[in-house]
Amino acid sequence: DIQMTQSPSTLSASVGDRVTITCRASQSINNWLAWYQQKPGKAPKLLIYKASSLESGVPSRFSGSGSGTEFTLTISSLQPDDFATYYCQQYSFDSRTFGQGTKVEIK
Amino acid sequence: EVQLVESGGGFVQPGGSLRLSCAASGFTFSTYVMSWVRQAPGKGLEWVSGISGGGSTHYADSVKGRFTISRDNSKETVYLHMNTLRAEDTAAYYCAKGKYEGSGQPDANWGQGTLVTVSS
Repeated sequence: DIQMTQSPSTLSASVGDRVTITCRASQSINNWLAWYQQKPGKAPKLLIYKASSLESGVPSRFSGSGSGTEFTLTISSLQPDDFATYYCQQYSFDSRTFGQGTKVEIK
Repeated sequence: EVQLVESGGGFVQPGGSLRLSCAASGFTFSTYVMSWVRQAPGKGLEWVSGISGGGSTHYADSVKGRFTISRDNSKETVYLHMNTLRAEDTAAYYCAKGKYEGSGQPDANWGQGTLVTVSS
């Protein structure tokens, strides 16, 4: 099975900061990588798919990049609504895998 | 508007069984991959199972042989039959829909989740 490793596990940042989260796959997944945002008690929300495509309605401060085994999610200017947990997910194979999550906290 | 409504969660003893349902509306149900994703209390997301519009099924190793995913396209409902439940199956279970028709899609729409608690 493909393993997905996110870093860091926790990130402390301030409003206005540029934030980058990394996700590594244990083998190539081409660009079949999605990013989700989850807030406490809520279902996950799709932000990015195909590594860099922005989901409709998602603010443009979110962006994704990468291919193969290395991927990043960047928030260009952190807003109060962005404090949440972020997960990457590979969907290149019929058996999917999530990363362990990155919690973005207020500094 | 896409809607996914899970039901069937509850309290069950170890070794017991439960069937979760996810009622879908607002899209052509039969052509989309549907998935189940779970989240144990305070933990991350874990993909559990997926089923294509044609009925091809896939499972995480942690549930293979114990869980069965199925769908009834006429009722626009996907099910998760869970047998031989263990304490580690305790989680919120979410139903999710692929972004576009066919396979190889991220999970674009999610239900509100249903809680399963396995305990003696």
